[in-house]
Parts: sequence; C-alpha cells; structure tokens
Amino acid sequence: KNEVEQSPQNLTAQEGEFITINCSYSVGISALHWLQQHPGGGIVSLFMLSSGKKKHGRLIATINIQEKHSSLHITASHPRDSAVYICAVKDTGNQFYFGTGTSLTVIP
Amino acid sequence: DTGVSQDPRHKITKRGQNVTFRCDPISEHNRLYWYRQTLGQGPEFLTYFQNEAQLEKSRLLSDRFSAERPKGSFSTLEIQRTEQGDSAMYLCASSLEKSYNEQFFGPGTRLTVL
Repeated sequence: KNEVEQSPQNLTAQEGEFITINCSYSVGISALHWLQQHPGGGIVSLFMLSSGKKKHGRLIATINIQEKHSSLHITASHPRDSAVYICAVKDTGNQFYFGTGTSLTVIP
Repeated sequence: DTGVSQDPRHKITKRGQNVTFRCDPISEHNRLYWYRQTLGQGPEFLTYFQNEAQLEKSRLLSDRFSAERPKGSFSTLEIQRTEQGDSAMYLCASSLEKSYNEQFFGPGTRLTVL
C-alpha cells in the first residue's frame, strides 16, 4: 500500500474547465507538497502546505489534516497546464513519500 | 543560473559498471535530497543530508548505493555494479532548513543500464 494515493491517474480536460486533483495520505505529516513535472523530467514545486489553503494565480491548494486529504484545483485551465502533478508528503520522521502523479492534458 | 544543477544529464552504462552522479544545490541551502524516479511512477526518496551529515537513508537503498556530501555543498551519488533495474531518473533537490522544507529540484540525471 502506498503512503500517498492520488486520483485520478489521468485527466483530460477542455481548455477553460475547472480541474481538481485529489491526494490522500496515510502517515502523520509535517508538510504536504504539490509538484508539477513537465515532459523531460523537470520538477517545480507549486505549493507547500501544513494547514488550510494557498492560492497562486489560477492554482489553489487545500489540505484537511484531520481527513488526511489535499486537493489541487486549477481554474480556467489552459493547454500549458498540461503536465504531471505529484503530491508528496514529509512525515514526522523526515521521510518523503510521493504519489504516482496525475497526468493532466488540457485540450485547446 | 542559481538553481540546482546535476551532472551528467544522461548516462548510459553497461551492467556491472560503476556510475557517479553529481548534484550542486542552491548555494545557501543546507539540506540536500536524492530521489529516484522510474517511468510512470512518482519520485522515491533515497537519502538526505543536512550540511555534510547524511541523516536519513531509505530502507529501499541497497548497499550498492552510496552518497556523500563531503564539504556540505555539492553531493555525489555512486551506484556500484549497476543493474538494469537501476535505470531511472535520479533527482536531486535542496532546501533551507528554516524554509519549512520547500524543496527546489534539479533537472535530474537519466541513467540507462544496458
């Protein structure tokens, strides 16, 4: 069993759609990260959360510590948002666990 | 460019050979992490350093893998007697201890073992 589960695994959306990617985890955490990985492997950190909600442009990330769940939302999606989105958690023992990622394709 | 850099970007080697990868973190970052990512999977934690001290090492890391960060700046990851199953992208990331662990990733080294 993976410590971090993401859904869906693959997501195709029309440009302009509102997108939600979900992440559930089973370990006690000190922080949760949302990462974006483009073809070719480059990874960019989008958000780091330990509680509540963060917003950056069209991206919103929320976390519910009690339910061990986080969501990443993209408003007004655009083809340039096409990438793999990875949820990662840092447990209280300094280990990082990663989800397998959600592959997003936004069609013009 | 002041981001995390890794060298080489690609490495092709024959099974049984040793390989070494280098990571140069962002200069003021005292934490450095190594991850491995295989196709279709999320990154897998390998090890991390705070300054020159290796503080955590994944239970999944075999004895053929060793990492060093001798002066608390750049780090090397060596794989001895490579196996085909070692083929993966090896990612390095760095962070400040006080930035609540926000990590900055390097471009990765893609290893192919023939």
